[in-house]
Amino acid sequence: EAGVTQFPSHSVIEKGQTVTLRCDPISGHDNLYWYRRVMGKEIKFLLHFVKESKQDESGMPNNRFLAERTGGTYSTLKVQPAELEDSGVYFCASSQEVLIEQFFGPGTRLTVL
Amino acid sequence: TQLLEQSPQFLSIQEGENLTVYCNSSSVFSSLQWYRQEPGEGPVLLVTVVTGGEVKKLKRLTFQFGDARKDSSLHITAAQPGDTGLYLCAGGSNYQLIWGAGTKLIIKP
Repeated sequence: EAGVTQFPSHSVIEKGQTVTLRCDPISGHDNLYWYRRVMGKEIKFLLHFVKESKQDESGMPNNRFLAERTGGTYSTLKVQPAELEDSGVYFCASSQEVLIEQFFGPGTRLTVL
Repeated sequence: TQLLEQSPQFLSIQEGENLTVYCNSSSVFSSLQWYRQEPGEGPVLLVTVVTGGEVKKLKRLTFQFGDARKDSSLHITAAQPGDTGLYLCAGGSNYQLIWGAGTKLIIKP
């Protein structure tokens, strides 16, 4: 069974540009989560989808971040326009039940110059 | 704001030694999870503890949840080079995970 996949693995963009990160969860997992780890800090929760619905987006930093999960399958996280402080590693995770055994993708390392 | 203080941040010991990693908070968590992360990969769940005072063992790893569900520890017995990695604790609260900053563990042969 394929695990959680994320694309791209690395992205280097300039301040003001737009970047879209993609996450493909494990097939059949209704719960999908986005997390971010900024250099030197702990992993922070961004948001949680149940199927195509946003269950909790209280961790989204500001309105420059937009997450979608069309059809309850893959999810995208768009940052527009990107700022320097958005640099970090963005992880996606999925699970069958909420909070129980989340499976993480390898992450996307975003660098904003 | 809920915080999970993880210590030590970095630990380098010789093969065969024992070690303990701690996660402490002033907040109560519904569950406490321990993860291990390798470079270039996402965290991998090791164990979940949900009951105050619960102890779980995974080979040479022993996980304990505090009686008040505010703290947890990971004890490794007779550490081996294969245990090298980043260990993370995460507390479950309001359907979110609150993460510790991680412990980078190096076991020297």
